[in-house]
Amino acid sequence: GQNIDQPTEMTATEGAIVQINCTYQTSGFNGLFWYQQHAGEAPTFLSYNVLDGLEEKGRFSSFLSRSKGYSYLLLKELQMKDSASYLCAVRDKTGNNRKLIWGLGTSLAVNP
Amino acid sequence: DAGVIQSPRHEVTEMGQEVTLRCKPISGHNSLFWYRQTMMRGLELLIYFNNNVPIDDSGMPEDRFSAKMPNASFSTLKIQPSEPRDSAVYFCASSPIFFPGSRAYEQYFGPGTRLTVT
Repeated sequence: GQNIDQPTEMTATEGAIVQINCTYQTSGFNGLFWYQQHAGEAPTFLSYNVLDGLEEKGRFSSFLSRSKGYSYLLLKELQMKDSASYLCAVRDKTGNNRKLIWGLGTSLAVNP
Repeated sequence: DAGVIQSPRHEVTEMGQEVTLRCKPISGHNSLFWYRQTMMRGLELLIYFNNNVPIDDSGMPEDRFSAKMPNASFSTLKIQPSEPRDSAVYFCASSPIFFPGSRAYEQYFGPGTRLTVT
């Protein structure tokens, strides 16, 4: 089966660092995405990993281990505006299909 | 760039009525996706098109749902008849072509249509 697991909720303090984990089991793998979604808004792209290792983009970094079926999103120097849901999505690779399989998202609350 | 455009932004209808959601993808994007999002089930892919051709419609809940893409700049998602359990936010997203061997481009989401069926 296809399954993506993320924690449902996390809280952190402004200025701190938080790590949001994602584990996946899919029939095929062709890359992993992280999206951010503020309440009442559409998801927006944050990062993409297809090879093992860390991808850094400003305050946000994303890590992938394909052998472990594991990724994390690291947010540094947290700001209040980072309060949002963070969605992990795996690009499946089954036959000619390349659709994204989505996790339920991790709701992050950043407190002052 | 105007981004992905969806209409209407909000729709309230009674059970049994037909609902049509509309989407205009970003110009030049050849792949279009329809998603449904609820608290319980998260973001679910309903159907996606490459070059106006449906590739995967396995997420379409049942025959009450249908989607069309008559040209590269327009798509519709129709629910007939609507039921209360269809209440959700429906997102349309687009990306450059999405096929085996292609780079995995990110998807750009529209603002969504919040559907309430009473």
